[in-house]
Parts: sequence; C-alpha cells; structure tokens
Amino acid sequence: DAGVIQSPRHEVTEMGQEVTLRCKPISGHDYLFWYRQTMMRGLELLIYFNNNVPIDDSGMPEDRFSAKMPNASFSTLKIQPSEPRDSAVYFCASSFVLHDEKLFFGSGTQLSVL
Amino acid sequence: DAKTTQPPSMDCAEGRAANLPCNHSTISGNEYVYWYRQIHSQGPQYIIHGLKNNETNEMASLIITEDRKSSTLILPHATLRDTAVYYCIAAGGTSYGKLTFGQGTILTVHP
Repeated sequence: DAGVIQSPRHEVTEMGQEVTLRCKPISGHDYLFWYRQTMMRGLELLIYFNNNVPIDDSGMPEDRFSAKMPNASFSTLKIQPSEPRDSAVYFCASSFVLHDEKLFFGSGTQLSVL
Repeated sequence: DAKTTQPPSMDCAEGRAANLPCNHSTISGNEYVYWYRQIHSQGPQYIIHGLKNNETNEMASLIITEDRKSSTLILPHATLRDTAVYYCIAAGGTSYGKLTFGQGTILTVHP
C-alpha cells in the first residue's frame, strides 16, 4: 500500500492566489481528515469526512477555506484567496474504523504564501 | 478529549531504553491513550494505544497505571532514527477522530 498521498509536496504562492491541495487516502479507508501544523498552534484538525461526506468542519478557520471529497479516493483543500498567515504544513490523514483512532498521515504539503 | 501533560524534551543514549511519561489525570473511562510520533518533515505516525492493560507491539510498549491517570511509552532499544516528537493523546468515545495533538516530547537519541 502506498499510504496516504498528498500533492504537491511544496507550494509557494503569492497572497491573493488560489491554492489547491490534494489528497489520496488509503484504499478502503472511509474517514479522511485535514490537519494544519504551525509552530504557534501545533497540529489542528480542520475538517473530516466520512464516506465522502463532510462531518465536522468546525476547525476550518474562515470561509476562504473549503474542502471537498468527490469520491472515495480523492479530496481537495482549497484556499481562496490565500494570505501569508495561511503558511503552514497541511496534512491529510485517513482511517478505517473511527473509534480506533489510528490515523495514517500523508507526508504533508508545505505551503508558503508570500 | 482529556488534557495530557508531557515533558517538553528528553534525551536517551542509543541502544538504551527510552521511557516517555504522560499524565492524563482527567481521562474518562471510555478514552484510550494513544501515542504518535513525528519525525522531522514527516507526518505523524501511529505507535500504539491502550485502554487499561499494558500493550506491546513491534515498535514500543505502553504501560498504563492502574488508576489510568498516567502512562509511559517505552522504546526498548532506542536508535538514532527514533529521534522525533512524541505525542500522547487521550481520545475515544465521542471524539470522532478529533485527535488533539499537544506540544509533545522532543526525544533526542544520542550516539
């Protein structure tokens, strides 16, 4: 199994531009999570999906952030417009059984907004 | 999720056991203790979890006190590759995957 795959690995963009981060969960996993990591705030859960349906997006910081999961093998996190304070590492994770909190994380996308 | 408290940093000599403590005095009866680690520039990696009994797998052992207010993660023979941030998390029940990662313990394994 290739694990959770995220792309791009690094993204550098200018303030005001749209940014799209992508994630392919592990096949068969029915939960998908988007986390964000910064030095100041650590790892924060942004949103999670169950069977492609968003369940809890209370961690999404602003309306500029949106996430979709059009099918079981693909999810996107979009920031429009991007701001310098969005600079962080964004991780996608997936799991199979919710109450077994064993999440498998991708390698992350390092986002820099100039 | 119950709050957990970990020392900010620890050192360990290569080949020796690394014992990482965690306090979770407010843990509820249906919450598990989870340990994850994050090696530099990588995503967090699941290590082990337990409810009441001690657990062991190929990576580590988890010792949970009888009152469940604290636990210890044991890496029996630490290697340089075990240098990482180790997170102790109390979660389960209605947390629905909302793992709350604290600051963790930075473990540095020295040659």
